[in-house]
Amino acid sequence: ILNVEQSPQSLHVQEGDSTNFTCSFPSSNFYALHWYRWETAKSPEALFVMTLNGDEKKKGRISATLNTKEGYSYLYIKGSQPEDSATYLCALDTGRRALTFGSGTRLQVQP
Amino acid sequence: DAGVIQSPRHEVTEMGQEVTLRCKPISGHDYLFWYRQTMMRGLELLIYFNNNVPIDDSGMPEDRFSAKMPNASFSTLKIQPSEPRDSAVYFCASSLGGGNTEAFFGQGTRLTVV
Repeated sequence: ILNVEQSPQSLHVQEGDSTNFTCSFPSSNFYALHWYRWETAKSPEALFVMTLNGDEKKKGRISATLNTKEGYSYLYIKGSQPEDSATYLCALDTGRRALTFGSGTRLQVQP
Repeated sequence: DAGVIQSPRHEVTEMGQEVTLRCKPISGHDYLFWYRQTMMRGLELLIYFNNNVPIDDSGMPEDRFSAKMPNASFSTLKIQPSEPRDSAVYFCASSLGGGNTEAFFGQGTRLTVV
């Protein structure tokens, strides 16, 4: 069984706070790492796909880093806004071309 | 493109009945995935296709589940007979190049088996 672990499970922050989440995966089984944002009553939407050790990606106030040697990725949100409230999923491809998802970090940003 | 289209959005059926979920992937995408979302197990892969060919069905729970992709623009997931424990949200997703390209998800089908 492939374990993709995310922490924390949930997070409550105030508007304007910066925050970060962690995704851990077996470093020996790596092909690509994805981050998705999943709003309630909608479907997951891709934020980033990372394939190289040391990759850093950024989209607006959201950024992500990747360390394949130690098996982790961080997702950062700078200056959280209420519209950032969602579940953030990471997913691993080990080369089988399909994704194994973590259980997600549920973020709630209070105005 | 309208994105990945799934139907129906909601399905309520009685135990023992056959259920068919449908998916239209984004045109030009070579990979199609079926996922199931439950509280207990999160988002888990059931099966995926590459160029209409099933590649990995190891996630299909049991023989009651079957999936087909008769052409590049249509796939079905069938449950026969359905059971209450099959109640979940079923997502279809498609991508251009498999695991190193982003997956685009449909809106999901919420299945309730009573």
